[in-house]
Amino acid sequence: QVQLQQWGTGLLKPSETLSLTCAVYGGSFNDYYWSWVRQPPGKGLEWIGEISHSGRTNYNPSLKSPVTISVDTSKKQVSLRIQSVAAADTAVYYCARPFRNNGFDVWGQGTKVTVSS
Amino acid sequence: QSVLTQPPSVSAAPGQKVAISCSGSSSNIGSNYVSWYQVVPGTAPKFLIYDNTERPSGIPDRFSGSKSGTSATLGITGLQTGDEANYYCATWDSRLSAWVFGGGTKLTVL
Repeated sequence: QVQLQQWGTGLLKPSETLSLTCAVYGGSFNDYYWSWVRQPPGKGLEWIGEISHSGRTNYNPSLKSPVTISVDTSKKQVSLRIQSVAAADTAVYYCARPFRNNGFDVWGQGTKVTVSS
Repeated sequence: QSVLTQPPSVSAAPGQKVAISCSGSSSNIGSNYVSWYQVVPGTAPKFLIYDNTERPSGIPDRFSGSKSGTSATLGITGLQTGDEANYYCATWDSRLSAWVFGGGTKLTVL
């Protein structure tokens, strides 16, 4: 059974860098594009972007924040970095695995990130 | 504002049924599969429906999905208090080259 375990800094000041990591336990790592999704308080889900095991990335063009997603295949981990965060980046962040290119069937436990001065 | 449009809230009594709509356009729902998720506050999204109508293993047949043109619908029958949650639709948008979600619908089981 595949499990996604996330961790990262939960409280940031404006202009700092958000950094989250998601580790994949069980199942294949190389067969998927791994995504990051976030949910701001009181709002809906927002797809941030995805990365393959080879490092190929796709980002949501609607995002205003400077986002970087990276991969460490040897550790079966993907990471999310958002530079110069603002209050609008306050959200619960999830990593997720796609299901046959139609949706996401496995999710991490979520990491709450708060940006506040 | 979300690319996919859902009603903010729906409600029904226990045992009754409810339908949650999701409206999009030709570049998203009109040309790609729709999936649905149940989100209980404080927990990760739960995968309910894929390929417009299919249920993953373990999802009861009280949950169903349908799609017509640029709209999709999640149906829930035999409502239980445990079904109270926020429900989201999602699909790929070929014009944006991005996954897009609906704004979410809060289900209240009265």
